[in-house]
Amino acid sequence: DGGITQSPKYLFRKEGQNVTLSCEQNLNHDAMYWYRQDPGQGLRLIYYSQIVNDFQKGDIAEGYSVSREKKESFPLTVTSAQKNPTAFYLCASRLAGKDEQFFGPGTRLTVL
Amino acid sequence: GQQVMQIPQYQHVQEGEDFTTYCNSSTTLSNIQWYKQRPGGHPVFLIQLVKSGEVKKQKRLTFQFGEAKKNSSLHITATQTTDVGTYFCSGGSNYKLTFGKGTLLTVNP
Repeated sequence: DGGITQSPKYLFRKEGQNVTLSCEQNLNHDAMYWYRQDPGQGLRLIYYSQIVNDFQKGDIAEGYSVSREKKESFPLTVTSAQKNPTAFYLCASRLAGKDEQFFGPGTRLTVL
Repeated sequence: GQQVMQIPQYQHVQEGEDFTTYCNSSTTLSNIQWYKQRPGGHPVFLIQLVKSGEVKKQKRLTFQFGEAKKNSSLHITATQTTDVGTYFCSGGSNYKLTFGKGTLLTVNP
């Protein structure tokens, strides 16, 4: 069953702690993306990766970090430097040459 | 940078009424995509428009791409409660898409 998985669905952390969100895809897609969604807002791009071991900052990369050691995986770390980390985080992937993005179910992060 | 604006932000309709959302880009787009996000869900791809003036239909949904490739619209005929959700347009370069803020559609049965 192909798709994108994100875990966990809900995550709670204390302020000042780093937290890593998981994103895995078995679609053999080349590009992967992380978006942040706040209530009433669109999707804002945090980071994206076109190939393994390479990634670029999106529009709101400050306070976040990523890695792309495997084609299937693109974890996102929300660091303590991110001032307003509470949000809904969406991971997406795309096949090279195609524009359609496939989204995972999302992780809702709440920082207390 | 590129900006994609969507209007209206919210739209409430009675079931059976039509609905339209509009998308405008600050720059010419190579293509535009539309996504739907159900409440509590994640965005799901609906369609992509590539050609100037292109019109595509999916059952009760009609998508248009402007002649200048800077605007687009999504029209739903005779809305149903299953149409509830947020509709996003997106456009941009091959690797980086810019999403509009979306239009939240609610339907009163």
